[in-house]
Amino acid sequence: NAGVMQNPRHLVRRRGQEARLRCSPMKGHSHVYWYRQLPEEGLKFMVYLQKENIIDESGMPKERFSAEFPKEGPSILRIQQVVRGDSAAYFCASSPPVAGGTDTQYFGPGTRLTVL
Amino acid sequence: KQEVTQIPAALSVPEGENLVLNCSFTDSAIYNLQWFRQDPGKGLTSLLLIQSSQREQTSGRLNASLDKSSGRSTLYIAASQPGDSATYLCAVPAGANNLFFGTGTRLTVIP
Repeated sequence: NAGVMQNPRHLVRRRGQEARLRCSPMKGHSHVYWYRQLPEEGLKFMVYLQKENIIDESGMPKERFSAEFPKEGPSILRIQQVVRGDSAAYFCASSPPVAGGTDTQYFGPGTRLTVL
Repeated sequence: KQEVTQIPAALSVPEGENLVLNCSFTDSAIYNLQWFRQDPGKGLTSLLLIQSSQREQTSGRLNASLDKSSGRSTLYIAASQPGDSATYLCAVPAGANNLFFGTGTRLTVIP
């Protein structure tokens, strides 16, 4: 059973370009979470999705950031018109559909975004 | 508002020593607490998950305890090895099933 997969592992963009980060959850997992780790800071929650639904996006910046988890295919975190401050490691995690959220989350290796 | 603090921020120990990492949280209304390990440039690996009804969990040389009333958890690592060098993060549930992470402890085990 493959773990959580993220691609690309490293992404370089110039200011103003778009960044698209992909996450394929573990097999059988229908819950996906995105976290951001800024340089020298801890991980911060961004968004929690289930298939075709955004459950909690309280950690998402109000502008330029969006996320989706379609019925088919990976979850996508999209950052439009990137700025230098978006440079960070973006981690995806997944968990099975366990009521009450008592199960652990499994993390992918992350995508390291560098904005020039 | 939940705050999760880990002390110390960094720790260096010689190989073979036993050590304790600390995690404190301000809102004790949690239903579990997790300890993760993060290697440089890598993702997170879940080490231990303690449910609120439990006081401790053990996995190999690792033992994690949870005291909700005092808002504290500890991760005990026995007989440390150079391969244990990593950043250790504790996390508690927040909101709709997401995790709130501590600031981390960077551990270096010197051969």
